Amino acid sequence: TQLLEQSPQFLSIQEGENLTVYCNSSSVFSSLQWYRQEPGEGPVLLVTVVTGGEVKKLKRLTFQFGDARKDSSLHITAAQPGDTGLYLCAGALNRDDKIIFGKGTRLHILP
Amino acid sequence: NAGVTQTPKFRVLKTGQSMTLLCAQDMNHEYMYWYRQDPGMGLRLIHYSVGEGTTAKGEVPDGYNVSRLKKQNFLLGLESAAPSQTSVYFCASSIGQGLRSNQPQHFGDGTRLSIL
Repeated sequence: TQLLEQSPQFLSIQEGENLTVYCNSSSVFSSLQWYRQEPGEGPVLLVTVVTGGEVKKLKRLTFQFGDARKDSSLHITAAQPGDTGLYLCAGALNRDDKIIFGKGTRLHILP
Repeated sequence: NAGVTQTPKFRVLKTGQSMTLLCAQDMNHEYMYWYRQDPGMGLRLIHYSVGEGTTAKGEVPDGYNVSRLKKQNFLLGLESAAPSQTSVYFCASSIGQGLRSNQPQHFGDGTRLSIL
């Protein structure tokens, strides 16, 4: 059973377009993290969202945690080729639990 | 700023051979993790450690053993490699387990292992 479902699995869009990727679950998470992984490297943390309904911005990236803490979204405005990578969401069911990773969304921004 | 260092970066083994993957971190983190990443499967936790001298099983522990004799090192062993263990292996470390401290997991750059 995959606790964290990410969609879409793959997304290829033109530079300058906007996009949203999703991380969904039927379980309630104490908090969620988003990581980005580039080819040949390990994942790197982008953000942690903790409170239901929380919105965090990181330059052109906007992260939202659902009110019920079961889902999260990542919106990228004016995508650039440097945004290309694998985006992973991760969460813990309880504060002391191991982090569970989704399968990721592979994003390709065409110049 | 070494962070998490994994060795080797690449390795090809024959079925039945054994090997050890080394992970070293210089951030004085208590928690360390070994994951495998396969196409379409995401990151799956193999084993983890909450401190020096302790280890615990993760989601997919079969066929692997680990040791944490020193706080900065976490070793992953394959006693008898099988083709199903062909994967990219990532080590990570963190200050706290889960999201207790809202701190990230810091990952190494991976070891690409092929079992023929």
